[in-house]
Amino acid sequence: KAGVTQTPRYLIKTRGQQVTLSCSPISGHRSVSWYQQTPGQGLQFLFEYFSETQRNKGNFPGRFSGRQFSNSRSEMNVSTLELGDSALYLCASSPWAGTEAFFGQGTRLTVV
Amino acid sequence: QQQVKQSPQSLIVQKGGISIINCAYENTAFDYFPWYQQFPGKGPALLIAIRPDVSEKKEGRFTISFNKSAKQFSLHIMDSQPGDSATYFCAASGLTGANNLFFGTGTRLTVIP
Repeated sequence: KAGVTQTPRYLIKTRGQQVTLSCSPISGHRSVSWYQQTPGQGLQFLFEYFSETQRNKGNFPGRFSGRQFSNSRSEMNVSTLELGDSALYLCASSPWAGTEAFFGQGTRLTVV
Repeated sequence: QQQVKQSPQSLIVQKGGISIINCAYENTAFDYFPWYQQFPGKGPALLIAIRPDVSEKKEGRFTISFNKSAKQFSLHIMDSQPGDSATYFCAASGLTGANNLFFGTGTRLTVIP
């Protein structure tokens, strides 16, 4: 069974630009969550989607948004990039609510 | 504020020894407590998880001990191996679903031969 796939693996963007990251969950999993990992703040929850609906949202500004498609694939968008958005963005998938979360390898975003 | 507190920040253990990492939480609504292992350049990998209805769970060399009254849980790695050298994260989540995880700050484990 293929794991969680995130694309691209690496991105370099300029301040002010916007970026879209993609996540394909494990086949059959309907829940996708996004996390930001930085050396200073650690792993922080961004949001969770289940059956194309956002169920939970972390404490991030509105520049961070996401969506989920009918095939459970998810995208995350960050607009008006700031230097502090440089981080490893991780996607996790779960079969149902209240079950184990499996992470992808992440997308390393660098904002210059 | 940090919902899950993890210690120590770093840990050095001899091969064959026991590695112990501790976590504490405040929110009594948490009902799912997983541990993740992360190698450099990789995403976190689920190691083992526990729910509050049991006090201990063992999978191979990894054991979670859970103390509900103290709101603490810990990971024990028996017979630690150099291949176990990684960063370990504890996490917790509540009734909204296991995917809204609150993570500890991580413990960098080094197992020396």
